[in-house]
Amino acid sequence: DAGITQSPRHKVTETGTPVTLRCHQTENHRYMYWYRQDPGHGLRLIHYSYGVKDTDKGEVSDGYSVSRSKTEDFLLTLESATSSQTSVYFCAIRRSGDSGHGYTFGSGTRLTVV
Amino acid sequence: KNEVEQSPQNLTAQEGEFITINCSYSVGISALHWLQQHPGGGIVSLFMLSSGKKKHGRLIATINIQEKHSSLHITASHPRDSAVYICAVSMDSNYQLIWGAGTKLIIKP
Repeated sequence: DAGITQSPRHKVTETGTPVTLRCHQTENHRYMYWYRQDPGHGLRLIHYSYGVKDTDKGEVSDGYSVSRSKTEDFLLTLESATSSQTSVYFCAIRRSGDSGHGYTFGSGTRLTVV
Repeated sequence: KNEVEQSPQNLTAQEGEFITINCSYSVGISALHWLQQHPGGGIVSLFMLSSGKKKHGRLIATINIQEKHSSLHITASHPRDSAVYICAVSMDSNYQLIWGAGTKLIIKP
């Protein structure tokens, strides 16, 4: 299976502080995604990337920025964390040229903003 | 109306029962995905379908493109199958997923 790791796994931060979550893949997949998962909302796309320095917004991008300076790393930054950004964040990759499972998800980052 | 509808929302069954979860969609798709999430756990991709039927162990997924409908079946269900099963479709070149609301499955011993 494609290697994908998220860090940190858990984080507690204070309102107003910047926070960066990291998604790292060990294979050369082009498409990477950041989702948040909240009760009653399912998964919602924050941002995605289709290559180095190529990113675009998802449906809930306000308050978030991303960067992809290397194929293997996709960073999600909360510029000034708010309590409404308390959530579980999942990174995903789309395995190109794959006829099997399509997507691989990271284990998630549980972020609490106090 | 949501573009991806799943039914049922919740399903409780006894161990050994045959399980069916349904997914209907209203848009043209490039592929349909079934995923599984255990409580407090990560998300695992089970199947990606663009036509026909796929089988993996006790799991079977089918899709009818003309009717815009897919089903996920679990044979000989087991308590470890208890999880949320999510249907999602991908539509365009950026492979964004449109998610169903999920089906919470509980299998009782």
